[in-house]
Amino acid sequence: QSALTQPRSVSASLGQSVSISCTGTTSDVGGYEYVSWYQQHPGKAPKVLIHDIDKRPRGVPDRFSGSRSGNTASLIISGLQADDEADYYCWSYAGTYTWVLGGGTTLTVL
Amino acid sequence: EVLMVQSGAVLKKPGESLNISCQGFGNRFERNWVAWVRQMPGKGLEWMGIIYLGDSQTVYSPSFEGQVTISAAKSINTAYLTWSSLRASDSAMYYCAKRRDYGYYHFDSWGQGTLVTVSS
Repeated sequence: QSALTQPRSVSASLGQSVSISCTGTTSDVGGYEYVSWYQQHPGKAPKVLIHDIDKRPRGVPDRFSGSRSGNTASLIISGLQADDEADYYCWSYAGTYTWVLGGGTTLTVL
Repeated sequence: EVLMVQSGAVLKKPGESLNISCQGFGNRFERNWVAWVRQMPGKGLEWMGIIYLGDSQTVYSPSFEGQVTISAAKSINTAYLTWSSLRASDSAMYYCAKRRDYGYYHFDSWGQGTLVTVSS
């Protein structure tokens, strides 16, 4: 059982928007400004999409955005493209150089 | 940007020992923290632990403490993940990932993964 709770799967149509939630506690998601999101395509290494709740690394399209309310963080993907079909994981720093992860969400683009 | 290169896939028998590696190429890599992440077949990512290459300070996830050893050789910019006695349940893909600079708490460079298969 993962420390952070994500929906197992979400789906949306091409061009639409989708939101993926990630619920933790005050000891992780709600306690630090260090939630990050990773995208993983089948057979590939994960890639960071969002860090520090809502910051995008250079090169990540602005279709990807992040937010947080209380102990729940969210990844929002707008203008869905076929290549967005992947697994998405939330991570949170949990203090003393430890991290906790969500179980991952599979996004299907219809 | 730092390039992380992991050792190749391995097939081992239960009870055997194993050491896999992750070498970083880039500026001042020895000042980085490197994490190990497990992904069992068809499953999600699991954070195993992290090591600071500068002084080998290591922190383990409670789930992996005592099950594996994380170590580093600063002189060759390499982190290691070691098992003293493998089990079939250790079969998985293992990734190394570099934490971004001091003050950041995400992982911006990843190795290509090392597939470990443990089977008699």
